[in-house]
Amino acid sequence: QSVLTQPPSMSAAPGQKVTISCSGSSSNIGNNYVSWYQQLPGTAPKLLIYDNDKRPSGIPDRFSGSKSDTSATLGITGLQTGDEADYYCGTWDSSLSGGVFGGGTKLTVL
Amino acid sequence: EVQLVESGGGLVKPGESLRLSCAASGFTFTSHSMNWVRQAPGKGLEWVSSIHMSGYNRFYADSVKGRFAISRDTAKDSLYLQMNNLRAEDTAVYYCARELSSSLNVDYWGHGTLVTVSS
Repeated sequence: QSVLTQPPSMSAAPGQKVTISCSGSSSNIGNNYVSWYQQLPGTAPKLLIYDNDKRPSGIPDRFSGSKSDTSATLGITGLQTGDEADYYCGTWDSSLSGGVFGGGTKLTVL
Repeated sequence: EVQLVESGGGLVKPGESLRLSCAASGFTFTSHSMNWVRQAPGKGLEWVSSIHMSGYNRFYADSVKGRFAISRDTAKDSLYLQMNNLRAEDTAVYYCARELSSSLNVDYWGHGTLVTVSS
């Protein structure tokens, strides 16, 4: 059972938009920055969003992040088949004094 | 170019020990907090441990507290994870991960090293 809650799977057609939610509490999302990661099969995770809504250089603006109270959202527009991957949210939990990740969302683009 | 290269994984029996290493290059090692994150086969990411950029504060997941120890050698720009009393549930790919700023914003990951605990 992950501290952060994500939907296990989502699907959408190419060109469409999808939003992936990440729900937590005041001890984690509510008082710390959220990051989002994309993990393609057999590879290490890749940072997509940090500090709730910032994109590292090289990440296209099709990817966006937002946070409200104890929830965060990753948005992906103009879906491509190459976006098929597992997506994870992560943050620090001040009560646990440790890092926490969501359980991951498997995105299918069909 | 930032590089994180893990080593030290392998097959061990329950109760045995293993030491993972992560060689860092391409950045000022002491300017970033560092983490170990693991992923069991077919499962999601699990944060394991972190060491603050100062080297003084170290944090552990409850699942490894008392068994694992994180450390670093600033002269070698290397991060370590000493894993003792290993259990079957510790079987996973272990990633070395650099923190960008705070709140577990990891901007660089190593390729991972596989640890298998089995009798």
